[in-house]
Amino acid sequence: QSVLTQPPSVSGAPGQRVTISCTGSSSNIGAGYDVHWYQQLPGSAPKLLIYNNIKRPSGVPDRFSGSKSGTSASLAITGLQTEDEADYYCQSYDSSLSAVAFGGGTKLTVL
Amino acid sequence: EVQLVVSGGGVIRPGGSLRLSCAASGFTFDDYHMTWVRQAPGKGLEWVSGITWNGGDTTYAESVRGRFTISRDNAKNSLFLQMNSLRTEDTAFYYCARQGSIASRQFDYWGQGTQVTVSS
Repeated sequence: QSVLTQPPSVSGAPGQRVTISCTGSSSNIGAGYDVHWYQQLPGSAPKLLIYNNIKRPSGVPDRFSGSKSGTSASLAITGLQTEDEADYYCQSYDSSLSAVAFGGGTKLTVL
Repeated sequence: EVQLVVSGGGVIRPGGSLRLSCAASGFTFDDYHMTWVRQAPGKGLEWVSGITWNGGDTTYAESVRGRFTISRDNAKNSLFLQMNSLRTEDTAFYYCARQGSIASRQFDYWGQGTQVTVSS
């Protein structure tokens, strides 16, 4: 049971916008620790998608954006494409665990 | 180009030991903290262990503390994970990753991973 809660699945049609939530608590996101997002395509290693809540690494399309407020964070994907079909994970640090924490992951299906 | 190549996985009986290696190239290895993350079959990502740039500080998930040991050899640009007293629940794909920032702990580059199967 992760301290960061994500919906197990989300879906959307090509071209649409979807959001994936990451809900934490006062010992992680709410304590001010940064949230990062990863995309894991089937059979591949995770790839950093968003870091420090809102920043995109070089090469990541601006269709992907992150936000953070209070004890939650969100990943938004606009202009959905079939190649966006993947698992998405949020990550932060938890001071109660004194450890890095990942969300349980969200499977994005592009209909 | 940053590369992390993981090796050392395999099939091992419960109670056994295994040592994973991660060979780094394409960046100044001793400028970065490093970490191990695992993924059990069909499950999500689980952070396992982290080590500072000089090996001076190590941290572990509660699930592996006392059984796993992370280390590094900066002269050989290599990261290691010594896994002892392995349990069936340690069965997973193990990734090494570079921590891109000391402050915010994002993992900006990942190795391809190696499968560890603990089974009798």
